[in-house]
Amino acid sequence: DAGVIQSPRHEVTEMGQEVTLRCKPISGHNSLFWYRQTMMRGLELLIYFNNNVPIDDSGMPEDRFSAKMPNASFSTLKIQPSEPRDSAVYFCASSLKGPDSPLHFGNGTRLTVT
Amino acid sequence: GDSVTQMEGPVTLSEEAFLTINCTYTATGYPSLFWYVQYPGEGLQLLLKATKADDKGSNKGFEATYRKETTSFHLEKGSVQVSDSAVYFCALSRGGSNYKLTFGKGTLLTVNP
Repeated sequence: DAGVIQSPRHEVTEMGQEVTLRCKPISGHNSLFWYRQTMMRGLELLIYFNNNVPIDDSGMPEDRFSAKMPNASFSTLKIQPSEPRDSAVYFCASSLKGPDSPLHFGNGTRLTVT
Repeated sequence: GDSVTQMEGPVTLSEEAFLTINCTYTATGYPSLFWYVQYPGEGLQLLLKATKADDKGSNKGFEATYRKETTSFHLEKGSVQVSDSAVYFCALSRGGSNYKLTFGKGTLLTVNP
């Protein structure tokens, strides 16, 4: 089992540019989550999907953020246009559906917007 | 809404010391409770969990007991090692169609030799 795979590991971009983060969940998992981690705000849930359908996107900070899950093995988080305050580590996680199912996290993408 | 409160860090201990990281929660119903650990440069990993009152979760020498009467899930370890240095997150999950994990802010633990 390769675990949750995120790419890229690091992304440095200039303000105003589009950024796309990618995630491949564990095969067979039907829930996928995007989190953002910063020193100031800790770990924030941005959006989660069940069976490729967005269930709760209340954590998406604003319209500049969008997420898609076109199939069970791939998801993207896009920021357009990016701003310096978007700098953070973005984690993708997947799990089997159910309240007792643990989340399996990827190693994250460290985004720096200058 | 649901919330998880952890003790403020950082926590610094000497090797073989006793560890307690406090965690309390607010949630309706009967949530499942978790501790996750994050090592530097990595994502979070499940450390242990408990799904009902009085359950004790344990793993790698760490333990936590689900106390519904005090809405707590404190993490303990009798003798910490340098390799336990990491950030520890308490979390809860409720059932239903809209379940999701709610995390605490995390507690940084540093263990010195």
